[in-house]
Amino acid sequence: ETGVTQTPRHLVMGMTNKKSLKCEQHLGHNAMYWYKQSAKKPLELMFVYSLEERVENNSVPSRFSPECPNSSHLFLHLHTLQPEDSALYLCASSQEQQGGTPLHFGNGTRLTVT
Amino acid sequence: QKEVEQDPGPLSVPEGAIVSLNCTYSNSAFQYFMWYRQYSRKGPELLMYTYSSGNKEDGRFTAQVDKSSKYISLFIRDSQPSDSATYLCAMSSNAGNMLTFGGGTRLMVKP
Repeated sequence: ETGVTQTPRHLVMGMTNKKSLKCEQHLGHNAMYWYKQSAKKPLELMFVYSLEERVENNSVPSRFSPECPNSSHLFLHLHTLQPEDSALYLCASSQEQQGGTPLHFGNGTRLTVT
Repeated sequence: QKEVEQDPGPLSVPEGAIVSLNCTYSNSAFQYFMWYRQYSRKGPELLMYTYSSGNKEDGRFTAQVDKSSKYISLFIRDSQPSDSATYLCAMSSNAGNMLTFGGGTRLMVKP
């Protein structure tokens, strides 16, 4: 098992659909993150969880809803998305949520909204 | 002005060349500096990590931080086709772990 596993790898959904992205980390880390990566733009931090508590919600629209049931699992629930939400969604984890702690990324879910 | 600036490239070099990748930043509170490498259809992987100013070397890779100029560099010696990827700089202050990323530089090393 790789350190951070994301499923599905690819997802195509209509604007009225509801879907969920899943992330699982096998590193024993205490913090987990969702990032959005769009073409020609820097990685955008969406949500941060530390010890299962949300500590950051970076002005993300409510059509994105995170869930962290335990320190190893992170979900991103999606509903009524827009075409501009099409992007690579990356999950990451770190040992602690402290300055300078490196992030370990999964390989992402490529989302296409039609 | 973006908080972290990085030339998107693409940068195309012949195999064996020395590659220099750079980022500039505006936030003087940044203390931790990282370089991530991202292959196509993969997530970013940590390549180099430095704290404050100075140099760090790991094999063919050298990371430099010049806090006085707010400028960081990644050098790749004897570049290989397998180094072809997008390189992302990232940095953070002591407050939390909210890494700020550059937009990435796409590097192509041609055999």
